[in-house]
Amino acid sequence: AQRVTQPEKLLSVFKGAPVELKCNYSYSGSPELFWYVQYSRQRLQLLLRHISRESIKGFTADLNKGETSFHLKKPFAQEEDSAMYYCALSGSSNTGKLIFGQGTTLQVKP
Amino acid sequence: KAGVTQTPRYLIKTRGQQVTLSCSPISGHRSVSWYQQTPGQGLQFLFEYFSETQRNKGNFPGRFSGRQFSNSRSEMNVSTLELGDSALYLCASSLVGDPRDTQYFGPGTRLTVL
Repeated sequence: AQRVTQPEKLLSVFKGAPVELKCNYSYSGSPELFWYVQYSRQRLQLLLRHISRESIKGFTADLNKGETSFHLKKPFAQEEDSAMYYCALSGSSNTGKLIFGQGTTLQVKP
Repeated sequence: KAGVTQTPRYLIKTRGQQVTLSCSPISGHRSVSWYQQTPGQGLQFLFEYFSETQRNKGNFPGRFSGRQFSNSRSEMNVSTLELGDSALYLCASSLVGDPRDTQYFGPGTRLTVL
């Protein structure tokens, strides 16, 4: 089965604290993994994808095929990071199709 | 470049009616995907169109259909509306729908079925 699991519905941290948003996946093949973010009253947008191996707004994510995980991390959270974060998966049999996790709301308190 | 646009932004319909939603992709993008977003089920894939052909389909009943025009604009139609069809419908465009492509999302159409 193709599935993305984000175990936390809500993650609340203080400003300056480290953040880790968890994402585990199930896929028989080589997946493409993405993190999408939705800020308040804005549309869903790409944050980063594993093939780019880049850091966006201080966030990084490493694909761990052994643990089938793609956790999103940031060493020091900022209030403007408060948003809904979705982990998503695509693969060779899924043209144009993203499989999303249920999303995690990140709340960064001042 | 202009982003993905969706019309209308809000719709209120009654059970049994049908509805058509429209999506204009980013210029140059040939793949359009549709998703349904609800509080209970989250974001679920409906279907994907490329070069006027449906290439991929999610697990939704036949009441949900779509099409794509030669300019890559896409429409989705829901017939015989049910209360459970109330949702935010998102479309996303990408260059060619390759799994590595970034999908760019529109603002969504909020459908309420009474």
